[in-house]
Amino acid sequence: EIVLTQSPATLSLSPGERATLSCRASQSVSSYLAWYQQKPGQAPRLLIYDASNRATGIPARFSGSGSGTDFTLTISSLEPEDFAVYYCQQRSNWPRTFGQGTRLEIK
Amino acid sequence: EVQLVESGGGLVKPGGSLRLSCAASGFTFSSYSMNWVRQAPGKGLEWVSSISSSSSYIYYADSVKGRFTISRDNAKNSLYLQMNSLRAEDTAVYYCARDEQIAVVSYYFDYWGQGTLVTVSS
Repeated sequence: EIVLTQSPATLSLSPGERATLSCRASQSVSSYLAWYQQKPGQAPRLLIYDASNRATGIPARFSGSGSGTDFTLTISSLEPEDFAVYYCQQRSNWPRTFGQGTRLEIK
Repeated sequence: EVQLVESGGGLVKPGGSLRLSCAASGFTFSSYSMNWVRQAPGKGLEWVSSISSSSSYIYYADSVKGRFTISRDNAKNSLYLQMNSLRAEDTAVYYCARDEQIAVVSYYFDYWGQGTLVTVSS
């Protein structure tokens, strides 16, 4: 099973700042990685797929990069609605696995 | 508008059974693989099971293999999860989720339902 480790566990930033979230895979997943955003009481929302492709309707301030084992989700300038939990997910191998999440909180 | 609506959750005793349903609308259900993903209270996301558009390919997490059965009825635009031999650790919100592309199985999940809570407790 591919283990995805996200860091940091919690990130405290202010609106307008840049956020950088990391996801590291225990073995290469090529570019087969997605990022999701989840707000309290809501279902997850797909942000990025195949490491760097924005999903439909996702604002340009969200970007993804990386390949192999190291991936980054960047939010260029935080909006109030961006404070949430973010998960990465790989589709390279079975079983599909998610990272444990990074909580992005308002400083 | 794509909609996924889960139902069937509730309180069940350890060893008991439940059948979850997911009613789909707003897209050609028979063209997409579908998935179940769960989230224990206060925890992260865990992929549970996937089924291809024609039910030819089915996959399970090891944690539920042999106890859960995924199925679908394309004529009814519905996805199901039969859960048997339930354990306390199966307590979670169960989401159905659509694959973001046709002709693939369990790549990424672009539409999710609101979830249904399953609580396994005596």
